[in-house]
Amino acid sequence: AQSVTQPDIHITVSEGASLELRCNYSYGATPYLFWYVQSPGQGLQLLLKYFSGDTLVQGIKGFEAEFKRSQSSFNLRKPSVHWSDAAEYFCAVGADTDKLIFGTGTRLQVFP
Amino acid sequence: GAGVSQTPSNKVTEKGKYVELRCDPISGHTALYWYRQSLGQGPEFLIYFQGTGAADDSGLPNDRFFAVRPEGSVSTLKIQRTERGDSAVYLCASSPGAGSYNEQFFGPGTRLTVL
Repeated sequence: AQSVTQPDIHITVSEGASLELRCNYSYGATPYLFWYVQSPGQGLQLLLKYFSGDTLVQGIKGFEAEFKRSQSSFNLRKPSVHWSDAAEYFCAVGADTDKLIFGTGTRLQVFP
Repeated sequence: GAGVSQTPSNKVTEKGKYVELRCDPISGHTALYWYRQSLGQGPEFLIYFQGTGAADDSGLPNDRFFAVRPEGSVSTLKIQRTERGDSAVYLCASSPGAGSYNEQFFGPGTRLTVL
């Protein structure tokens, strides 16, 4: 069965520091992978997605993610975090029947 | 253009009551999804419509939960005999077509509290 693991429940970084949020997936074939962000009181917003091709994908707000098949990972990165990036981040895999399977999320806190 | 809208934004009800949650998808989107997000968890799939028909309802927890999309646009999630464990944020999403490679656009959710 497909599943997504986000090992870090909560991460705190200083503004301007680099960021990496971890995501591991379980899926038999080449997965469709997504990162969503959820700010308080807001809906989920798609940051980026991977379907095939170049394993390094660029997204909105300066985020990028790298698909590593050998590690079953799709980690999200940003070189310099802004205070407005504080939010909850969800990794998801597109399942066989069109639904998304989400991880439990990582809450990002940014200190000035 | 308008995004996915959900009404009400908050719903408080008593145990045993019946509730309806509404989702208005983006115009022209044929696929519509319902998810449930409990506190501290990621969204969990409930049901998926392609057009008017439920293509996958495997996430509905039991027969107290039912959803319809009679005209292929607006959808209503119905919960009978609510229980305290039903308290969660119910999210609706729509996408231009079938296939999980299509981006799903999410609404702000309905926060359901069962007392």
